[in-house]
Amino acid sequence: KAGVTQTPRYLIKTRGQQVTLSCSPISGHRSVSWYQQTPGQGLQFLFEYFSETQRNKGNFPGRFSGRQFSNSRSEMNVSTLELGDSALYLCASSPLSRPNNEKLFFGSGTQLSVL
Amino acid sequence: AQSVSQHNHHVILSEAASLELGCNYSYGGTVNLFWYVQYPGQHLQLLLKYFSGDPLVKGIKGFEAEFIKSKFSFNLRKPSVQWSDTAEYFCAVNAETGANNLFFGTGTRLTVIP
Repeated sequence: KAGVTQTPRYLIKTRGQQVTLSCSPISGHRSVSWYQQTPGQGLQFLFEYFSETQRNKGNFPGRFSGRQFSNSRSEMNVSTLELGDSALYLCASSPLSRPNNEKLFFGSGTQLSVL
Repeated sequence: AQSVSQHNHHVILSEAASLELGCNYSYGGTVNLFWYVQYPGQHLQLLLKYFSGDPLVKGIKGFEAEFIKSKFSFNLRKPSVQWSDTAEYFCAVNAETGANNLFFGTGTRLTVIP
């Protein structure tokens, strides 16, 4: 079974631009979560989608948005990029939107650098 | 709001030494607790988890963790580390049933010297 696939692997953007990151979950997984990983802050939860609906949202500004398609693939968009948005963006999938007895399967991430 | 503290940022051990990584969380209600590991060049993967029952949980590769509710702690242990255990270890807590939003600690980097 293929794992969680994130594209692209690396991105370089300049301040003010916008970016879209893509995540394909493991086949059959309906929940997709996004996390931002930085050396100083660790992993911080961005949002979670289940069956095309955003179920939970972390404490990030509105410039960060996402969506999920009917095939469970998800995209994350960041508008008006700031230098502080430079980070590794991780996507994780799980079969159900219920933490009990379920674990998250993480992708390798998209490394975003904002210049 | 939930938060997770990992007090050790970088731990360096020799092979065969014993390991204990600290993890404390702040939340007054029922929690689910996790340890994830990120080996160099690899993605995050689950090491072990606690949802309920026996507070001593065993995970992969000889790791175990003990949930002490009175101390709000979930420390990770391994009796004898190997060079292949070199990785970054993240403690995480989920305090809302029906949601997959984990609160992670900032991670502890473990370096095992052969």
